[in-house]
Amino acid sequence: DAGVTQSPTHLIKTRGQQVTLRCSPKSGHDTVSWYQQALGQGPQFIFQYYEEEERQRGNFPDRFSGHQFPNYSSELNVNALLLGDSALYLCASSVGRTGGAYEQYFGPGTRLTVT
Amino acid sequence: AQSVSQHNHHVILSEAASLELGCNYSYGGTVNLFWYVQYPGQHLQLLLKYFSGDPLVKGIKGFEAEFIKSKFSFNLRKPSVQWSDTAEYFCAVNAGRDSNYQLIWGAGTKLIIKP
Repeated sequence: DAGVTQSPTHLIKTRGQQVTLRCSPKSGHDTVSWYQQALGQGPQFIFQYYEEEERQRGNFPDRFSGHQFPNYSSELNVNALLLGDSALYLCASSVGRTGGAYEQYFGPGTRLTVT
Repeated sequence: AQSVSQHNHHVILSEAASLELGCNYSYGGTVNLFWYVQYPGQHLQLLLKYFSGDPLVKGIKGFEAEFIKSKFSFNLRKPSVQWSDTAEYFCAVNAGRDSNYQLIWGAGTKLIIKP
């Protein structure tokens, strides 16, 4: 049973460019959450997708956008990259339900470096 | 705004020592509480969770945590640590409203167990 997979593993971009990160959820999961983890900090919630809609968004600018496909996989897009966007981007999947009482399964992350 | 504090960023213990990692949160309503662990080179994984009921919850690998509502705390404990417990530990909180799916994370505690 494959767990959560993310691609690419590492990415180097230049300021002002755009980037797309990809995530495939664990089998049987229909909800995908994205997190940004800066060095030495805990993950910060970017947004969550359920039924191909953004269900909730954290405190991130509109430069961060996403998409969920009918097979539940998801993409995170970041436009106009800033140096401060350098971080580990984590994808987590879970089973959709009302409320926040759920366990999330995490992927290995994509390390984004903006130069 | 909700926040989660983990007061110890680095902890170094010898094998067989007892462990307690602190976690405090700022939210006055119903909460769902989690401890996640990240072993070196591995993904974040759930250690234990509290949704309701018995405030003393047991997780994997001999870990337990106690929810003390009056202190807004959810401290992680293990009576006797092993070298294999070397990892980074994160506390996370979800404000238990039906429409809230966001996890707020602490900054993490890096635990090193000396053999």
